[in-house]
Amino acid sequence: GAGVSQSPSNKVTEKGKDVELRCDPISGHTALYWYRQSLGQGLEFLIYFQGNSAPDKSGLPSDRFSAERTGGSVSTLTIQRTQQEDSAVYLCASSSSSGTYYGYTFGSGTRLTVV
Amino acid sequence: AQKITQTQPGMFVQEKEAVTLDCTYDTSDPSYGLFWYKQPSSGEMIFLIYQGSYDQQNATEGRYSLNFQKARKSANLVISASQLGDSAMYFCAMRNLNTGNQFYFGTGTSLTVIP
Repeated sequence: GAGVSQSPSNKVTEKGKDVELRCDPISGHTALYWYRQSLGQGLEFLIYFQGNSAPDKSGLPSDRFSAERTGGSVSTLTIQRTQQEDSAVYLCASSSSSGTYYGYTFGSGTRLTVV
Repeated sequence: AQKITQTQPGMFVQEKEAVTLDCTYDTSDPSYGLFWYKQPSSGEMIFLIYQGSYDQQNATEGRYSLNFQKARKSANLVISASQLGDSAMYFCAMRNLNTGNQFYFGTGTSLTVIP
């Protein structure tokens, strides 16, 4: 597609439920990144994919968080047993190469609210 | 450890005036890139400008310029001739170009352009 697409744009879930957030990167972009942005904060790195593998998962905050990428394209971020502190905007970005000298292209994010 | 500091949580500027948004960084790596992103209320992160650590000249992109002072480790964004549409959050970010898996973001500056 023309840009990075994320769905849903907004998600309200009850505490304890599982949620899946989807990211569809720009076609041909091999690198994909997930970030989390809490209210009034900067962006917190979660995980990085190169193709279908994730060489850097260092930012995942707990084992309730997992992510996968299939076909070198779409990625899904799953949060199990959601907690209120998981409420944030989850941003996905893609780039043509992890070594690119230029910035990522970000999606518009998924705003997750855990009630 | 790499770190980005933005000390201005909020800034106001009169329409058509210039404004400088501050950013300082800390890294031990000699090869790095500095980026500025704009985040309007829609939530999407929009790439504005890039400066490489070895670039001799300050980067410029239209009304945006980056005042790069390497010895002081600062990378301030200058927006000239401010427009109402410039009202947004602005994030400074850094990436180690040798192992560029992730960006390190500052906490952002909220810019409001006053008519």
